[in-house]
Amino acid sequence: IAGITQAPTSQILAAGRRMTLRCTQDMRHNAMYWYRQDLGLGLRLIHYSNTAGTTGKGEVPDGYSVSRANTDDFPLTLASAVPSQTSVYFCASSVDRVSTDTQYFGPGTRLTVL
Amino acid sequence: AQKVTQAQTEISVVEKEDVTLDCVYETRDTTYYLFWYKQPPSGELVFLIRRNSFDEQNEISGRYSWNFQKSTSSFNFTITASQVVDSAVYFCALSGYNTDKLIFGTGTRLQVFP
Repeated sequence: IAGITQAPTSQILAAGRRMTLRCTQDMRHNAMYWYRQDLGLGLRLIHYSNTAGTTGKGEVPDGYSVSRANTDDFPLTLASAVPSQTSVYFCASSVDRVSTDTQYFGPGTRLTVL
Repeated sequence: AQKVTQAQTEISVVEKEDVTLDCVYETRDTTYYLFWYKQPPSGELVFLIRRNSFDEQNEISGRYSWNFQKSTSSFNFTITASQVVDSAVYFCALSGYNTDKLIFGTGTRLQVFP
């Protein structure tokens, strides 16, 4: 069982380009999440999905979009990347809503926007 | 509003020393959940413990122990006889009842020297 996989592992991107970070889980978890991790700020929630077909905004959603077409995949898209989106991005999943279950995290994607 | 404070930015100890990582939280919810995660140098986030607000019993798992005190809104983490492999960033996190968001502290970097 792989758990959560993220791709790419790292990416350098020119400002203004479009980028999609991929996240796939094989645990049949209902809920999935995207976080960004920045030095001194900890992890901040970007978007989440309680179940396939639904999404919601987190603490820092601006400049990002997500979709949840099926249970396993939860891609994060940067429509037009800016340098402030340089960060490490973590995908996570839980069986159900976070208040009743534990989130498990993927290995992360390190994104640099120049 | 919910908030998690990890006042210790960085702690350095010598192997075999005991070390306590502090976590103070704020929430208006009467039902809530507290978590600790470990982020080793490899970067992944590893779940350590989940505790609900109605269970104030301290928990011990090997060299790890957790002290939950509602009276002081704290959920501190102690490593006994620290080892070099304990070197990591440790995050405390909070989720309220029936919410979709996990609020992280800014993390404490622990360095254990041989």
